[in-house]
Amino acid sequence: KNQVEQSPQSLIILEGKNCTLQCNYTVSPFSNLRWYKQDTGRGPVSLTIMTFSENTKSNGRYTATLDADTKQSSLHITASQLSDSASYICVVRGTSGTYKYIFGTGTRLKVLA
Amino acid sequence: DTEVTQTPKHLVMGMTNKKSLKCEQHMGHRAMYWYKQKAKKPPELMFVYSYEKLSINESVPSRFSPECPNSSLLNLHLHALQPEDSALYLCASSPTIGQETYEQYFGPGTRLTVT
Repeated sequence: KNQVEQSPQSLIILEGKNCTLQCNYTVSPFSNLRWYKQDTGRGPVSLTIMTFSENTKSNGRYTATLDADTKQSSLHITASQLSDSASYICVVRGTSGTYKYIFGTGTRLKVLA
Repeated sequence: DTEVTQTPKHLVMGMTNKKSLKCEQHMGHRAMYWYKQKAKKPPELMFVYSYEKLSINESVPSRFSPECPNSSLLNLHLHALQPEDSALYLCASSPTIGQETYEQYFGPGTRLTVT
């Protein structure tokens, strides 16, 4: 069964600190993995998208890594800001034949002043 | 313009009402999606339209009726909903559904409350 699991479920950090969110998936065959940021009551906004051949991709203070062999990805947030408080969702898509994006349950991040 | 717009932002309706949600994009995308998201849960796919034709219906109850009148618009008609249908309804679009690496852009969502 295609699944995407994220950890931790929730995380509280102080402003300025770094943090790393984890995503493990069983989707196969794998096409790409995306990280989204979703503010409460808003639609998800894309942070990064990586294919199986990419190991790392950055978007400002966000750096995503991918290990397609172990089926693991991480999202590292550097020098966190209050505005980083949101849910971070890992989404995996398989190869042609399915139009589904498999969503993880998300990590709720709270950054405190 | 990489924006997907949704109206209304909030909607409260009774179980006997008929209402519609609207989604619009002007990026030339030919794939559009409806998702339902309950609190603290990931979005769940409901429908996918490709070139204005319904491609995927994820066994959604008939009280939800999608419509794609043209390549820029996607509607979701609601009738005889249940309180458990209260959720955030998200619209998304992507260039097509055939290319896996294409970006999927989400709208801000409509917060629906069924009383």
